[in-house]
Amino acid sequence: EAQVTQNPRYLITVTGKKLTVTCSQNMNHEYMSWYRQDPGLGLRQIYYSMNVEVTDKGDVPEGYKVSRKEKRNFPLILESPSPNQTSLYFCASSSIVRPDDYGYTFGSGTRLTVV
Amino acid sequence: AQSVTQLGSHVSVSEGALVLLRCNYSSSVPPYLFWYVQYPNQGLQLLLKYTTGATLVKGINGFEAEFKKSETSFHLTKPSAHMSDAAEYFCAVRKNTGFQKLVFGTGTRLLVSP
Repeated sequence: EAQVTQNPRYLITVTGKKLTVTCSQNMNHEYMSWYRQDPGLGLRQIYYSMNVEVTDKGDVPEGYKVSRKEKRNFPLILESPSPNQTSLYFCASSSIVRPDDYGYTFGSGTRLTVV
Repeated sequence: AQSVTQLGSHVSVSEGALVLLRCNYSSSVPPYLFWYVQYPNQGLQLLLKYTTGATLVKGINGFEAEFKKSETSFHLTKPSAHMSDAAEYFCAVRKNTGFQKLVFGTGTRLLVSP
């Protein structure tokens, strides 16, 4: 089954404790992206990647890092989480080379709480 | 730059009533348009999309949307609401010139009452 897998689904952590949210896709998609979703603000893009070793900032990159060492994986790293990063996070992927497949496939989300 | 406006952060309908969720876009070139649905505690699922061809697009669960270039709109409709349609709906746009990232609206929460 074609899917984007995020882990963990839920995470409670303390301020300053480094964490990583993993994202993996099995569709051989070139494009991967991270979003955060907050009430009233919709989806805001954090970082994206057009292919292996190619990453770029989205609209709200502060406090986050990403890496793309393999095509299927795109982890989101919070080096020193703060309470304002409490949010619902989504990973998404898309084909670049197949126009009919230009919609995104989303993961199930990670609800992060930073106390 | 493209942008999307969804009118109404919340829309309430009765079960069996028409569902109409509004989406207007701005784009400097012909767009690709999408509607996504998010059920509680789940990720976003593609409902339907317009890329080229027929302007009336049918999606899953009885939803459809019509691309109206003259009105720069892509409103989502369903003739008869069901309780299971209660969810948040997102409209998204991208340029049709090669690969471009999706730009999302802020979402509309659909509430369905018995």
